[in-house]
Amino acid sequence: GNSVTQMEGPVTLSEEAFLTINCTYTATGYPSLFWYVQYPGEGLQLLLKATKADDKGSNKGFEATYRKETTSFHLEKGSVQVSDSAVYFCALSDEDNAGNMLTFGGGTRLMVKP
Amino acid sequence: GAVVSQHPSWVICKSGTSVKIECRSLDFQATTMFWYRQFPKQSLMLMATSNEGSKATYEQGVEKDKFLINHASLTLSTLTVTSAHPEDSSFYICSAQNPRRSSYNSPLHFGNGTRLTVT
Repeated sequence: GNSVTQMEGPVTLSEEAFLTINCTYTATGYPSLFWYVQYPGEGLQLLLKATKADDKGSNKGFEATYRKETTSFHLEKGSVQVSDSAVYFCALSDEDNAGNMLTFGGGTRLMVKP
Repeated sequence: GAVVSQHPSWVICKSGTSVKIECRSLDFQATTMFWYRQFPKQSLMLMATSNEGSKATYEQGVEKDKFLINHASLTLSTLTVTSAHPEDSSFYICSAQNPRRSSYNSPLHFGNGTRLTVT
């Protein structure tokens, strides 16, 4: 079946530091890949997505590139801010797999200190 | 093992009928549960926030009378799609928050989702 593996947190960084949150996946089909963010007390929000190999999703300074050869979709940001403190979820959507349309990683908490 | 159970995984119903989807937290008490919907080839969309013992908070554009949410206990929230139509066919997923573990790595736990097909 499909699975998503994220690096465990919490990840603690100082403001303006470089961020990488690793995400790898296994899928039987050709999934779309997503990063979602959950700010404290809120539900999930889509951060960015990529629908095919070599696509790069980007939003709010965050980027992730769909790497089929390494089955990865690592999230990066060049300079984090305190307001980026949240939990980040990597997910895949495999619409060829009728049994389970969406699979999430376990989430990674990011804490940015001023 | 799974900490959030969502049932059913699949449901096919006729137009005009109602369908109930259950979301249970298995080993913790969830004061807050979220309901999401995903259309094909699109991202997840938050529908509503379900709060135990009070009315759900719906996102803009989500019909309250169409998607009834009940969070009657600390371990169960239900979403009822009333008078379903083919355009309601979608993938619905719930998530539950464990307030006691909110300081840990993954405060949100997801159900496996429900694929609804309305014929």
